[in-house]
Amino acid sequence: KAGVTQTPRYLIKTRGQQVTLSCSPISGHRSVSWYQQTPGQGLQFLFEYFSETQRNKGNFPGRFSGRQFSNSRSEMNVSTLELGDSALYLCASSRTGGHYNEQFFGPGTRLTVL
Amino acid sequence: QKEVEQNSGPLSVPEGAIASLNCTYSDRGSQSFFWYRQYSGKSPELIMSIYSNGDKEDGRFTAQLNKASQYVSLLIRDSQPSDSATYLCAVIRGGPNAGGTSYGKLTFGQGTILTVHP
Repeated sequence: KAGVTQTPRYLIKTRGQQVTLSCSPISGHRSVSWYQQTPGQGLQFLFEYFSETQRNKGNFPGRFSGRQFSNSRSEMNVSTLELGDSALYLCASSRTGGHYNEQFFGPGTRLTVL
Repeated sequence: QKEVEQNSGPLSVPEGAIASLNCTYSDRGSQSFFWYRQYSGKSPELIMSIYSNGDKEDGRFTAQLNKASQYVSLLIRDSQPSDSATYLCAVIRGGPNAGGTSYGKLTFGQGTILTVHP
């Protein structure tokens, strides 16, 4: 069974640009969660999507947005990039996103903002 | 107070020893608990999940949960150098006591770096 895939794996952008990251969940998983990982803040929850609807959102500015498609694939977008957005962006999928669901992570997208 | 706290590392144990990793959480609405292992430069890998009080064993790994004390731990028996990694404790809120589920939101501790030396 294929795992969670994320593209691209690496990105270099400059301040002010925008970026779109993609995530394909494990087959049969309908929930996709996004996380940001930095050395200083650790792993922080961005948002979760299920059946094309955002059900939960973390404490990030509106520059961070996402969406989910009917095939459960998800994208996240960061507009007007700032230096502090440099991080490893991880997506995780689970069957339904409920509290008894295990989440499995993709390899991540390493974003560097110059 | 952080929502999820892990014992400060780094933790160093000799090969073959038992490594003990601890985690406390502050939200009594936390329902499910997970341990992830993250190698340097890689993404987190799920190694254990536990939902009810007591012990859960899987191979060399044992997770222990005590909801009354708001405490969860991971024991690694017969530690190997390949176990050297950062271990992350994660919790998710849910169930009737929490007033609902915080869908898809894992709250992580800061991680404990484990080094197993030959």
